[in-house]
Amino acid sequence: GAVVSQHPSWVICKSGTSVKIECRSLDFQATTMFWYRQFPKQSLMLMATSNEGSKATYEQGVEKDKFLINHASLTLSTLTVTSAHPEDSSFYICSARDLGGEANEQFFGPGTRLTVL
Amino acid sequence: GQNIDQPTEMTATEGAIVQINCTYQTSGFNGLFWYQQHAGEAPTFLSYNVLDGLEEKGRFSSFLSRSKGYSYLLLKELQMKDSASYLCAAMDSNYQLIWGAGTKLIIKP
Repeated sequence: GAVVSQHPSWVICKSGTSVKIECRSLDFQATTMFWYRQFPKQSLMLMATSNEGSKATYEQGVEKDKFLINHASLTLSTLTVTSAHPEDSSFYICSARDLGGEANEQFFGPGTRLTVL
Repeated sequence: GQNIDQPTEMTATEGAIVQINCTYQTSGFNGLFWYQQHAGEAPTFLSYNVLDGLEEKGRFSSFLSRSKGYSYLLLKELQMKDSASYLCAAMDSNYQLIWGAGTKLIIKP
C-alpha cells in the first residue's frame, strides 16, 4: 500500500509557541490530504481537508487562524499550530487520498503526539 | 444528519470469532471502510465495501447491506494482537469519510 510519513513523531513545546507538523505522501501524489485530531479514548475528529494549490476547508469549530494548513505540492501538506496552549495537546494524524489507487482509500501517517506545557 | 453507530466495547476469547456491527446514515454513499487502530498508533486499513455482500480477506471479513445501511466486520481465530479499536467509516457523496467512535475489542486468553 501507499506510504504516508509524518514529522515529527512527537513534540513537546512551551505554551505560546508554534509547532509545524509535516505530512508527506512518499510514493504517490495526493491532491487531497486530511488532518485529524484524536484525544485519548476518542475517535478521530476531522479538522480540515487540504487541497493542493488551494485553501484548506475547515470543519465547524476549528479555528483556521490557529491551525494553519499549507498544501504547496502534491506530496506535502503542513499543519502549524500557532500559539499552542495545553488544551491543544493531542494526537494529530494526517491522511492522504490516492485518487489513482483503489477505492478512494485514505492512507494514514503514523501521527504526531503534541504535548504543550 | 450523518451518523455512524458501532458498539463502544466488546470482549472475546482468543481463538474465537467476533462480529462488530456498524450502522450508518450518510448523504450519498461511496463505500464503507473498516480500520484497525492500536493504542497510540494511527489507523490502518482493513477493508472496503461498496457493493452488497461479503468480502473475505484472511481472518477478517467485512459485509455490507446498502439497503439496510449496515455493515459488520468479522474476525476469526482471534489472536491477542487483535486487541485494538476498530473504526467504521462511511464515505459520503463528497468522498469525505464519516467516522464512527470506534469499538474497543478486548481479547482474553
